[in-house]
Amino acid sequence: SQTIHQWPATLVQPVGSPLSLECTVEGTSNPNLYWYRQAAGRGLQLLFYSVGIGQISSEVPQNLSASRPQDRQFILSSKKLLLSDSGFYLCAWSTYYGYTFGSGTRLTVV
Amino acid sequence: QKEVEQDPGPLSVPEGAIVSLNCTYSNSAFQYFMWYRQYSRKGPELLMYTYSSGNKEDGRFTAQVDKSSKYISLFIRDSQPSDSATYLCAMSDTNAGKSTFGDGTTLTVKP
Repeated sequence: SQTIHQWPATLVQPVGSPLSLECTVEGTSNPNLYWYRQAAGRGLQLLFYSVGIGQISSEVPQNLSASRPQDRQFILSSKKLLLSDSGFYLCAWSTYYGYTFGSGTRLTVV
Repeated sequence: QKEVEQDPGPLSVPEGAIVSLNCTYSNSAFQYFMWYRQYSRKGPELLMYTYSSGNKEDGRFTAQVDKSSKYISLFIRDSQPSDSATYLCAMSDTNAGKSTFGDGTTLTVKP
């Protein structure tokens, strides 16, 4: 079966610290992968998407970056977190019938 | 102006009521329309998927798309407390491509 794993579930980080969130997919090959951020009570903002290894498209200029070192692995990173980076981060892959989302990472920058 | 506008809510209805959730959009290239349900502190889960105009029914849920009006709706019949969640509309111009989401409508169904 197709599953998507995302971790950690919760993260509290100080301002200026680095960030690494990982997402892996099982049961599919060459998926289109996405990172979204959801502010409290708001919709989903697309941050990055990838159609293949090493192929990253950025939707919003910011201090975040993404990488896809393997076909089913997608990583979201930051060298120095800002307070405004707080939010709920979701990894997803798209199929012919919509997205499958991971369980999300709630990031609080303090 | 946002590409996708969703009725903001929140909505509070009694158990058994019919619920209507709505979105409008401006991009005429959108052809694929989705509704997602998101429980608190969880990732969204796909509820309904529709291609082009028309209706699609799945149990108590009916999705409607009117491309001429750029308007989509999700109807929930006989609403249950377990339907209490945030509902997000989403749309895309390509199959398996990136989607644009509405901001969500939070629904509470009271027993």
